[in-house]
Amino acid sequence: AQSVTQLDSQVPVFEEAPVELRCNYSSSVSVYLFWYVQYPNQGLQLLLKYLSGSTLVKGINGFEAEFNKSQTSFHLRKPSVHISDTAEYFCASVNTGFQKLVFGTGTRLLVSP
Amino acid sequence: DAMVIQNPRYQVTQFGKPVTLSCSQTLNHNVMYWYQQKSSQAPKLLFHYYDKDFNNEADTPDNFQSRRPNTSFCFLDIRSPGLGDAAMYLCATSLSAGANVLTFGAGSRLTVL
Repeated sequence: AQSVTQLDSQVPVFEEAPVELRCNYSSSVSVYLFWYVQYPNQGLQLLLKYLSGSTLVKGINGFEAEFNKSQTSFHLRKPSVHISDTAEYFCASVNTGFQKLVFGTGTRLLVSP
Repeated sequence: DAMVIQNPRYQVTQFGKPVTLSCSQTLNHNVMYWYQQKSSQAPKLLFHYYDKDFNNEADTPDNFQSRRPNTSFCFLDIRSPGLGDAAMYLCATSLSAGANVLTFGAGSRLTVL
């Protein structure tokens, strides 16, 4: 069965510090991977996606993620965070043969001055 | 701008009183989805339409119904809301299934008194 695990429910960090949000997936077939961000009382917005090709994917707002097939991971990184990055971040996957997007439980990023 | 619009943004209803949430899109996408997101949880897929083909998730309660009268509109009907149905309801669209990115609306927050 397809699943996505986000081990950290909350990550506190100071402004301008680097951050990594962890995501691991499990699937018996190839997957496409996504990171979405959700600001309070808003819908989800795509940050970046991995479909194929280069394992390092760059997204919006200075975020990037690296697909690691051997470790079944797709961790999200940003070298220097801003207060405005405070939000909920969801990792998601979809099997190449199926239609259903499966979300992880989310990681709340809290950026403080 | 092409987008996904959800109405109303906030809905308050009484226990057992039917409610309808609407979603419209100007993207001309083939697939429309309804997700339920409870506080601090991941979005959970209720059902989706691929064109006019309705696909219900196995664990979606019968209390939840949907209609898609045309490409642009999709409705979520909750026939007899219970306290446990209080949540954010997210509509999303995609051009096709699989690797296609989902575009989300801002959500409709349902409160059940």
